[in-house]
Amino acid sequence: GAVVSQHPSRVICKSGTSVKIECRSLDFQATTMFWYRQFPKKSLMLMATSNEGSKATYEQGVEKDKFLINHASLTLSTLTVTSAHPEDSSFYICSARVEAQETQYFGPGTRLLVL
Amino acid sequence: AQSVTQLDSHVSVSEGTPVLLRCNYSSSYSPSLFWYVQHPNKGLQLLLKYTSAATLVKGINGFEAEFKKSETSFHLTKPSAHMSDAAEYFCVVSEAGRRALTFGSGTRLQVQP
Repeated sequence: GAVVSQHPSRVICKSGTSVKIECRSLDFQATTMFWYRQFPKKSLMLMATSNEGSKATYEQGVEKDKFLINHASLTLSTLTVTSAHPEDSSFYICSARVEAQETQYFGPGTRLLVL
Repeated sequence: AQSVTQLDSHVSVSEGTPVLLRCNYSSSYSPSLFWYVQHPNKGLQLLLKYTSAATLVKGINGFEAEFKKSETSFHLTKPSAHMSDAAEYFCVVSEAGRRALTFGSGTRLQVQP
């Protein structure tokens, strides 16, 4: 149990376009999901906390208008990178929290390359 | 505030020998502590977690970790390394009542044949 999926696994886009990444909890409901960013050979940086039915909470320094988060259902959160630029190229990882276990389970990640 | 320090950025062991990955934490309140493993270009897999029950925690794939409050440590060990253990390992802390996780910088484990 506690499986989290992400789609797509890899995306290449042109500078100035927008990219949507989906994060799904496959066998449980998650009121809280998280979005992280990981640079090469670096640790994970929390970008935002996604709350079902309400606005996301962004970490300091993360542009909310740049990284749009929607958590419309208990099994789906989406991250949209708007007007992507090469510096947005990164590995984006989502997680979903199983409240009863007080534990986050992670998706396999999405590698974004902006040309 | 909570923080995690992984003392070694890189550890290399021979197959069949013990593994020790070190982690120290700082937390104002009773923490939950986790070890996650990340294989290349993959997401993170939960190895084990401590949440104020037994101080010696057993996880998957033969890994275990011991919570030592007096030393503020949560080191990860395995008696005998396998080639498939080669990966990046993250020590993670979460304070009681907080959902956000704080990650250590990671330790890359290399297993030599």
